[in-house]
Amino acid sequence: DQQVKQNSPSLSVQEGRISILNCDYTNSMFDYFLWYKKYPAEGPTFLISISSIKDKNEDGRFTVFLNKSAKHLSLHIVPSQPGDSAVYFCALIDGGATNKLIFGTGTLLAVQP
Amino acid sequence: EAQVTQNPRYLITVTGKKLTVTCSQNMNHEYMSWYRQDPGLGLRQIYYSMNVEVTDKGDVPEGYKVSRKEKRNFPLILESPSPNQTSLYFCASSLGGGRSYNEQFFGPGTRLTVL
Repeated sequence: DQQVKQNSPSLSVQEGRISILNCDYTNSMFDYFLWYKKYPAEGPTFLISISSIKDKNEDGRFTVFLNKSAKHLSLHIVPSQPGDSAVYFCALIDGGATNKLIFGTGTLLAVQP
Repeated sequence: EAQVTQNPRYLITVTGKKLTVTCSQNMNHEYMSWYRQDPGLGLRQIYYSMNVEVTDKGDVPEGYKVSRKEKRNFPLILESPSPNQTSLYFCASSLGGGRSYNEQFFGPGTRLTVL
């Protein structure tokens, strides 16, 4: 049973516009939420995170929003750049003893010049 | 340069032939993990280690073994590989538990094909 879902396998956006990547989860015990970015032939790299006590965290062009009641996480990239083209994974930390990191299925973002 | 290294990067093998994928980090991290990435399934944790000689199962541990005899190394062992273990494998490390677990540093990946 998939606890973390990214329902859009791919997304195409024009350079300069906003990219919105979405992530839904089922377990309300998750207490930390992250986004990772992955280029081909490389490992994922940490991008941005948010604690469950917040609803927004911003870092430059990247903003993560958390809606706990809807169990929904989103990543906004404004403005989008061709170098942002990559696979984006949301990842959630189970706040229990193991601090397990659970990844979504990923969304391939293509930013068109 | 701070990094996580994996070897080999690519491996084609046959069913039943034991293999080891090495992982090493130079950041003095306590936490290390192994993941596999499969289409439509994202990254799933195989095993993790909280420190030397402390390991535990992740979500998909069947068919894998790990060991943590030194802080920097965390090899993944497939005693008798099967075709369903064909996948892209990532090793990762982080400072420790809690919030520092967030920023996991990943290796470049090992693409394994089991025929």
